[in-house]
Amino acid sequence: DTGVSQDPRHKITKRGQNVTFRCDPISEHNRLYWYRQTLGQGPEFLTYFQNEAQLEKSRLLSDRFSAERPKGSFSTLEIQRTEQGDSAMYLCASSRSYGYTFGSGTRLTVV
Amino acid sequence: KQEVTQIPAALSVPEGENLVLNCSFTDSAIYNLQWFRQDPGKGLTSLLLIQSSQREQTSGRLNASLDKSSGRSTLYIAASQPGDSATYLCAVNQGGSEKLVFGKGTKLTVNP
Repeated sequence: DTGVSQDPRHKITKRGQNVTFRCDPISEHNRLYWYRQTLGQGPEFLTYFQNEAQLEKSRLLSDRFSAERPKGSFSTLEIQRTEQGDSAMYLCASSRSYGYTFGSGTRLTVV
Repeated sequence: KQEVTQIPAALSVPEGENLVLNCSFTDSAIYNLQWFRQDPGKGLTSLLLIQSSQREQTSGRLNASLDKSSGRSTLYIAASQPGDSATYLCAVNQGGSEKLVFGKGTKLTVNP
């Protein structure tokens, strides 16, 4: 068990490009979460998976955002047509019952 | 809508001092409350989780209390050390939802 792994750690992209982030949760954790954190703020909830089913989605998740968790293992978060306002730290967490384990995050900079 | 507030926003103390960080939430119908630590540019490390039926949890030099009816929690750090310098985040898990609602955090600096 190496904890929650996120890749890449940093991503710089030009406005309008698409980006995809990956999260590998702790293997026995069936719940997976995505959060977004901007500078000086606490993390904000984006979406939640139980196994492969996406059960909860924030209104923050616009049509440009999509998340998947095929086969209930790793998850991907894709942002299409990135905007400067998408610049943030994207955090993934996993859980089996209660209590979260967070990954180190992917820092996205849109230039 | 649940709102979580943390006071103070920043705190600077000399090494060895005992300190208290405060967290308040507007809706008392919570499932649990968690305290996290975040180092600059890094992810979150879970410190303590208090279930809604509990009053406090302890881990080493850390003690967290929960008063659900008044919508408050405190994180007590005993004998602070420079390595405790970080941002401390409070988050509540609302009943009926899987999401955590976070405060903005308290940035703690412990000076040697």
